[in-house]
Amino acid sequence: GEDVEQSLFLSVREGDSSVINCTYTDSSSTYLYWYKQEPGAGLQLLTYIFSNMDMKQDQRLTVLLNKKDKHLSLRIADTQTGDSAIYFCAEMMTNTDKLIFGTGTRLQVFP
Amino acid sequence: DADVTQTPRNRITKTGKRIMLECSQTKGHDRMYWYRQDPGLGLQLIYYSFDVKDINKGEISDGYSVSRQAQAKFSLSLESAIPNQTALYFCATRGGDNTGELFFGEGSRLTVL
Repeated sequence: GEDVEQSLFLSVREGDSSVINCTYTDSSSTYLYWYKQEPGAGLQLLTYIFSNMDMKQDQRLTVLLNKKDKHLSLRIADTQTGDSAIYFCAEMMTNTDKLIFGTGTRLQVFP
Repeated sequence: DADVTQTPRNRITKTGKRIMLECSQTKGHDRMYWYRQDPGLGLQLIYYSFDVKDINKGEISDGYSVSRQAQAKFSLSLESAIPNQTALYFCATRGGDNTGELFFGEGSRLTVL
C-alpha cells in the first residue's frame, strides 16, 4: 500500500544539527521530496532528490537516500529558531503520477 | 498576490450543510489537487485533476466531490458535511516539469459542528 512514515516530533537545541527521517513504500519512486510548513501557511518545497542519487546538499540541508532500505533523511546543520516548522516527506508514485505525503515531523528548536 | 488562492480561509458550519471550497490559480498549471490535513495524519489526497476533463479520486474521496470549471479553477464540495470532515484543506497545483513540485494555497480551515 501507499504509506510514508515519519516520527511526529523532534526537539533540538539552537546551533545543533537536526535529522528528520522518513520511510517510503514505492521502490520505483522517481523523486522524493521534503516540504516545509510554517505555522498558518501552506507547504513549500524545501528540496528534492532524484532516485538515482544517494545524497544531495544544498547549503545547510543534506538529503540522504537509501533505496535499499527505502529510507530518506533530511539533515539541517546549525539549526535556527526559524527552522521550527512541520517537515513533510513525500514520494512521487510512478504509475499514478501523484504525490503521497508522510505524517509530518514537527521540529521545535529551543535556545 | 498569491499564485494559488483558496476561499474561504475559515468556515464554521453545521452537520448536514453543503459546503464548497474554491481554488483558483494563476500559474497556468494543468494539474490541480485537493488535500486534507489532520494532526498526526499528514496530508491525504482527496481528488486530483490533470486537466479539465480528467478528474481522479485520491485516497479519501468518500463524502467529497470536485468540479474543474476551467484550467484555473478547481472546487471541492462536501454535499452533507459531517464532524469528522473538520480539517485543514489545501489546494495545490503542479506544472509539467519533471521535478513534480507542488505549489500550495494557504489552506481553508473547515469546522463542522
